[in-house]
Amino acid sequence: GQQVMQIPQYQHVQEGEDFTTYCNSSTTLSNIQWYKQRPGGHPVFLIQLVKSGEVKKQKRLTFQFGEAKKNSSLHITATQTTDVGTYFCAARSNDYKLSFGAGTTVTVRA
Amino acid sequence: ETGVTQSPTHLIKTRGQQVTLRCSSQSGHNTVSWYQQALGQGPQFIFQYYREEENGRGNFPPRFSGLQFPNYSSELNVNALELDDSALYLCASRYTGTGDETQYFGPGTRLLVL
Repeated sequence: GQQVMQIPQYQHVQEGEDFTTYCNSSTTLSNIQWYKQRPGGHPVFLIQLVKSGEVKKQKRLTFQFGEAKKNSSLHITATQTTDVGTYFCAARSNDYKLSFGAGTTVTVRA
Repeated sequence: ETGVTQSPTHLIKTRGQQVTLRCSSQSGHNTVSWYQQALGQGPQFIFQYYREEENGRGNFPPRFSGLQFPNYSSELNVNALELDDSALYLCASRYTGTGDETQYFGPGTRLLVL
């Protein structure tokens, strides 16, 4: 199955600042999904990227799929306390297995 | 709310016992996946069921088994529990057939094996 690596593992952000978390694979991905999990909660689907170079935006969140479809990024602008949580990327292989990265845990300093 | 429910919410078992976890999928969803999430880690894919048949499996031993019922509810069974089985168990449902891969997670069952 697909193996995806996420960096950084932890992100401490000052409220109002921007940050980016990255997802990398050694193999070409058919698609990439992003999830957010709040502390004590369950993963919530954010978005799916399929096309090479695809960019999608959700308010302050910008998701990008690399041209080679081996990496993806999530950029958050003007971080708010509501952005606290762990962000996971996940890639699906042909045998339907969805492989999650280890996640980037975001904390916000007010 | 995702419309996916799981029961029980918490469970304590001892080593060697067997456990059954239940999931009720969102209405209309024909695919359910089960995941194991250890503390501080990402969810690990256990298996997926589509129309009552298992059609994908992760790196979990045969003592992890499942069922999906005609009403698309499902079960995860774990035999001969080990201490390392302590984790949050998540089910996620989606509709396969439109190309939309949005899947909805339930709140999870937190299992502690002593």
